[in-house]
Amino acid sequence: QVQLVESGGGMVQPGKSLRLSCVGSGFSFSDYPMHWVRQVPGKGLEWVAVLAYDGRNRYAADPLKGRFTFSRDNSKNTLFLDIHTLEVEDTAIYFCARGRVVVGVPARYYIDHWGQGTLVTVSS
Amino acid sequence: DIQLTQSPSSLSASVGDRLTITCRASQDIRSFLAWFQQKPGKAPKSLIYGASTLQSGVPSKFSGGGSKTEFTLTISNLQPEDFATYYCHQYHSYPYTFGQGTKVDIK
Repeated sequence: QVQLVESGGGMVQPGKSLRLSCVGSGFSFSDYPMHWVRQVPGKGLEWVAVLAYDGRNRYAADPLKGRFTFSRDNSKNTLFLDIHTLEVEDTAIYFCARGRVVVGVPARYYIDHWGQGTLVTVSS
Repeated sequence: DIQLTQSPSSLSASVGDRLTITCRASQDIRSFLAWFQQKPGKAPKSLIYGASTLQSGVPSKFSGGGSKTEFTLTISNLQPEDFATYYCHQYHSYPYTFGQGTKVDIK
């Protein structure tokens, strides 16, 4: 069955960088777009970004584009999120999620499966 | 950015009830709307995409409707496992956005 497992979270000081990973299994990872979504504990969901199957097309929420870097390594079935110059406001659970394509111009990507999330806590 | 406003923000219901949650979009998103269920301490679960298509394995007690700017999620015969927070999500335009959530608890 589809499994998505995030890792890399933890407690980090403001200004530092962090790499989150998401490993997919039970499906052909390279055939699917992948999303990042985050959630401040106790608050709502915030969409972060989506990467197309080959990683060449990627779309992200504007406020995050400067400090967040998105990539994937299909040979390792892994999605990455690099967060630079971490801020206290980046404290959240970060979920990866598998996407499905709605063919069209532009293509759209809805979510069908979610990982369990990894908690990032930014604190001095 | 497209704003999604869910109503109500919270509601209390009884086992066996039928309830409807509304999601209003700030502009026309056609049918590019999904619904998710989230229980405390758990990842969200996908319920519906394309405004009305059930994800695989989701029971038919869940149904979605609407288009353009007004959408609904209806849950029939509410059971204890259905008490959760529900989110709508648009994937029509970037940045994709979520509604603020509707918390359903037991009356």
